[in-house]
Amino acid sequence: DAGVIQSPRHEVTEMGQEVTLRCKPISGHDYLFWYRQTMMRGLELLIYFNNNVPIDDSGMPEDRFSAKMPNASFSTLKIQPSEPRDSAVYFCASSSNRDPQETQYFGPGTRLLVL
Amino acid sequence: AQSVSQHNHHVILSEAASLELGCNYSYGGTVNLFWYVQYPGQHLQLLLKYFSGDPLVKGIKGFEAEFIKSKFSFNLRKPSVQWSDTAEYFCAVNTNAGKSTFGDGTTLTVKP
Repeated sequence: DAGVIQSPRHEVTEMGQEVTLRCKPISGHDYLFWYRQTMMRGLELLIYFNNNVPIDDSGMPEDRFSAKMPNASFSTLKIQPSEPRDSAVYFCASSSNRDPQETQYFGPGTRLLVL
Repeated sequence: AQSVSQHNHHVILSEAASLELGCNYSYGGTVNLFWYVQYPGQHLQLLLKYFSGDPLVKGIKGFEAEFIKSKFSFNLRKPSVQWSDTAEYFCAVNTNAGKSTFGDGTTLTVKP
């Protein structure tokens, strides 16, 4: 298995632009998580899905952030409009409820810089 | 709600020193416990996990962790660290509800 795939790996954009981050979970996994990591706030859970349905989005910082999971193999995290304080590494992770330990497997992350 | 506390934000050791990173969680029920490692510039990788059975869990690269239920702890240990162990270490708790709660992380710097 290729593991969790994220794209792009790096993104540099100007303030005000729309940013779309993409994630392909491990095939067969039914949970998908979006995290944000910064030096100041550490690792934060933004939102997670179970069977494509958002379960908990309480970590989404504000309305500029939205996430979708149109099918079991694809999810997007969108920031519109982007701001410099959104600069961070965004990780996607997936897990399976058939794994009793529900280990989360992380993607390589998207490093976002908003100028 | 569950929470995870990692005692040390930053640990600096010399090579060959012994390591112990503390992790405490708050949740009264059955938990799954994890340690993840993030090497500089890389993504989080699973180091080891505890589900049930022997409370002393052995992971990759010589790491181990001990689950002490009475203390709600899951401390990570390694008898002799190497320079290549320099990384950030995250403790996480999962209560079979889909979501894992992560600690704030401990940055380990090993001096050559």
